[in-house]
Amino acid sequence: AQSVTQLDSHVSVSEGTPVLLRCNYSSSYSPSLFWYVQHPNKGLQLLLKYTSAATLVKGINGFEAEFKKSETSFHLTKPSAHMSDAAEYFCVVSDEGTYKYIFGTGTRLKVLA
Amino acid sequence: GAVVSQHPSRVICKSGTSVKIECRSLDFQATTMFWYRQFPKQSLMLMATSNEGSKATYEQGVEKDKFLINHASLTLSTLTVTSAHPEDSSFYICSARDQLAGRTDTQYFGPGTRLTVL
Repeated sequence: AQSVTQLDSHVSVSEGTPVLLRCNYSSSYSPSLFWYVQHPNKGLQLLLKYTSAATLVKGINGFEAEFKKSETSFHLTKPSAHMSDAAEYFCVVSDEGTYKYIFGTGTRLKVLA
Repeated sequence: GAVVSQHPSRVICKSGTSVKIECRSLDFQATTMFWYRQFPKQSLMLMATSNEGSKATYEQGVEKDKFLINHASLTLSTLTVTSAHPEDSSFYICSARDQLAGRTDTQYFGPGTRLTVL
């Protein structure tokens, strides 16, 4: 069965410094992996998606993620944090066949001025 | 593209009444939509999968008679919370799967509906 583990429930960074949000996955096949962002009381916005093409995936708002099969990881990065990046981030794996999403527990990113 | 809307964004109702939440895919067709529930500071919990023209598939532990789902068209799914009670208060989010080739497993999420049952 597929699963994702987000290793940090909270991450704090200073504005202008790099962001690293960690995600490890478990899957018996080549998975589809996603990162979504959720601002308070809002729905989820797709940041980026991996579907077995390029291992380095570029998303919106300067975010990118690298798929590393050997490490079963799909960490989200951004070179320079902005205040507007403060939100909850979810790593997601899609179940092949049913297309159901399996969510990580989320990482709350705090950006300090 | 790939916009999903929900209505209403916020609803307050009295205990025992029913509330209907609409989920629409605005610029694409979605034969499959999903309904989630999110508790404060928690991840999303899948409630059911809504399939156009057929019965919804509910996750284990979700009462299908309480949470009625109808997916009458390729762009509209509705969730009706029947005989609502305070414990049904939550943030309900829908998503729609774009059926276009190459994007079949990406879900696009609505903005959510905050339900408060008094």
